[in-house]
Amino acid sequence: ELKVEQNPLFLSMQEGKNYTIYCNYSTTSDRLYWYRQDPGKSLESLFVLLSNGAVKQEGRLMASLDTKARLSTLHITAAVHDLSATYFCAVDMDSSYKLIFGSGTRLLVRP
Amino acid sequence: NAGVTQTPKFRVLKTGQSMTLLCAQDMNHEYMYWYRQDPGMGLRLIHYSVGEGTTAKGEVPDGYNVSRLKKQNFLLGLESAAPSQTSVYFCASSYLTGGAYGYTFGSGTRLTVV
Repeated sequence: ELKVEQNPLFLSMQEGKNYTIYCNYSTTSDRLYWYRQDPGKSLESLFVLLSNGAVKQEGRLMASLDTKARLSTLHITAAVHDLSATYFCAVDMDSSYKLIFGSGTRLLVRP
Repeated sequence: NAGVTQTPKFRVLKTGQSMTLLCAQDMNHEYMYWYRQDPGMGLRLIHYSVGEGTTAKGEVPDGYNVSRLKKQNFLLGLESAAPSQTSVYFCASSYLTGGAYGYTFGSGTRLTVV
């Protein structure tokens, strides 16, 4: 059974600092997704990672994928308040058609 | 395009009442999903469908039923609501493109069972 674990679950950081969110998954997966959710809102797609070693960057966020370690990271560089949100990773497989989510990381960026 | 539309957006039910949540998509997507979101637990898959007339169980299917009689609609039913079903429900649809599935999520339905 595919399981996805994120850590930390809550992250409070100062503006200007760097930090990394980790996403581990239990079985071989075809794809790894990162989403952002603002309070009371739906999910916004950030990145889709398809293969081992894949790296994608958008602004202050960079996501990477290590399929051998079954690990993805979301790195935040020089955090700003606007990045405060909950971040989810999720994985799916062609064989199951299911998108399974981690528990999410609630990020709070303090001035 | 409207994307994925969920109705209603808010609902309060009494224990034991029944209701149906409607998800409609206008993108001709094959795959549709129902999730529930509870604090600290992320999104958990309730049921999903890989095409018109098909449904399958997800991670937390108990207490829910679904139907997909038309490709564009995916209905989630609660036959006898319980307080444990208080949650935010999200519908999603997807299609395969460029080696990955493009998922589109609805805006959510906030359900309270008292």
